[in-house]
Amino acid sequence: QKEVEQDPGPLSVPEGAIVSLNCTYSNSAFQYFMWYRQYSRKGPELLMYTYSSGNKEDGRFTAQVDKSSKYISLFIRDSQPSDSATYLCAMGYSSASKIIFGSGTRLSIRP
Amino acid sequence: EADIYQTPRYLVIGTGKKITLECSQTMGHDKMYWYQQDPGMELHLIHYSYGVNSTEKGDLSSESTVSRIRTEHFPLTLESARPSHTSQYLCASLNREGMNTEAFFGQGTRLTVV
Repeated sequence: QKEVEQDPGPLSVPEGAIVSLNCTYSNSAFQYFMWYRQYSRKGPELLMYTYSSGNKEDGRFTAQVDKSSKYISLFIRDSQPSDSATYLCAMGYSSASKIIFGSGTRLSIRP
Repeated sequence: EADIYQTPRYLVIGTGKKITLECSQTMGHDKMYWYQQDPGMELHLIHYSYGVNSTEKGDLSSESTVSRIRTEHFPLTLESARPSHTSQYLCASLNREGMNTEAFFGQGTRLTVV
């Protein structure tokens, strides 16, 4: 079983829709959680990170962590065609250095 | 803006050649990583480093080696390149201050072995 599971998509939604991207994980030792956006042929760029359960909001993006369910989400409000990319979740341990990535979800926003 | 650089951006080489992919960061981060990523596919961890003189193998055995003689420099070497090594290689460094953790990625090296 993979430590981090992420639906690969592809996910296609119309412009303006609310997008929900999700990851589940199996290791309760994960302490911090990140979301990355990766455009085609580019390296991933950090979107959001959070250390605790609950919600964290940044503009149109909201990251949600539910440690009891081992489930994290990224919500994108008022989605734009420029949001079309692959989104990767990532998580790490509090004391170790290794970070684990999900396989990525390909998102397409239709104009 | 992240200060992590990879060279070369693109490389085409013949089978059997020895190559070194360079990665440098000017942020003073101790933790650095190499990932391999095929187009549209997930990231696979090849090697990582906790700091100077510390290196570990990741989940993917790519027949490569790394070194960490200086904090800012984490080169990846393929002793004998094969067509199966054709892929994109991404270098990253990790910063953790208090409760905030960020990983910064270089722009990648796209390697083609012919």
